[in-house]
Amino acid sequence: AQTVTQSQPEMSVQEAETVTLSCTYDTSENNYYLFWYKQPPSRQMILVIRQEAYKQQNATENRFSVNFQKAAKSFSLKISDSQLGDTAMYFCAFRVNFNKFYFGSGTKLNVKP
Amino acid sequence: DVKVTQSSRYLVKRTGEKVFLECVQDMDHENMFWYRQDPGLGLRLIYFSYDVKMKEKGDIPEGYSVSREKKERFSLILESASTNQTSMYLCASSSQRREFFGPGTRLTVL
Repeated sequence: AQTVTQSQPEMSVQEAETVTLSCTYDTSENNYYLFWYKQPPSRQMILVIRQEAYKQQNATENRFSVNFQKAAKSFSLKISDSQLGDTAMYFCAFRVNFNKFYFGSGTKLNVKP
Repeated sequence: DVKVTQSSRYLVKRTGEKVFLECVQDMDHENMFWYRQDPGLGLRLIYFSYDVKMKEKGDIPEGYSVSREKKERFSLILESASTNQTSMYLCASSSQRREFFGPGTRLTVL
C-alpha cells in the first residue's frame, strides 16, 4: 500500500526564521516523484517543489529546499527566511506511474510577524 | 499557464438532491482527478480518468460517479447527496510531471 504521513498537524514559526516540515512515505516502487504543495487560506493549491526519486541531489526552489532520504523514505521541506505569505496548509505527496497521487494529511503552517 | 476551473466555489444542496460538479482544463491533459479534502484527512482520491470515457475508482468512490465525455471536462456526480458528503472538492488535471489543481468547490449538504 502507498501511504504518506505528515506527523505535524500544525506548526508556527517567526517571520525570517527557518522551519522544517516532515513527511514520510511508504511504497514498494523504485521510481516515483515527490512533491510539496501549498494551499494558502481560501486559495488554490500550488506546487512548491518537486523531487525525482532517482536523483540523489536535493531539489531547491529559492527559499524552499528538501531533504530527501530515499532509504528512510523521508522527504522533509525546509523553508528559509519565512515570510507571512508562507502561511498555508502544506501537503506532501508522491506519485507513481504518472497517474495517481498520494497525499498526506497536511501541516498547517502559521508564520508569525 | 494551465487553467483548471470548477463550476462553483460554493454550493449548498439538500439531502437527496442530485449534484453535479464540473471541472474543465485547457491544457489537453489526458489525466483528470476528483479529490475530496477534509480537515485532518488530507486529500482523498474519489475517481480519476486517464482518457475520454475512461474512469477508475479511487480510494473513496462510494456515493459518487463521474463522467468524461470530452477530454477537457470531468464531472463528479452525487446521485443522492447526503450530509456526510459535505466537504471541499478539488479537481485536478495532470501532465506526466505534475498536477494542476482547480480552486475547489465547497459543498454543503443540508
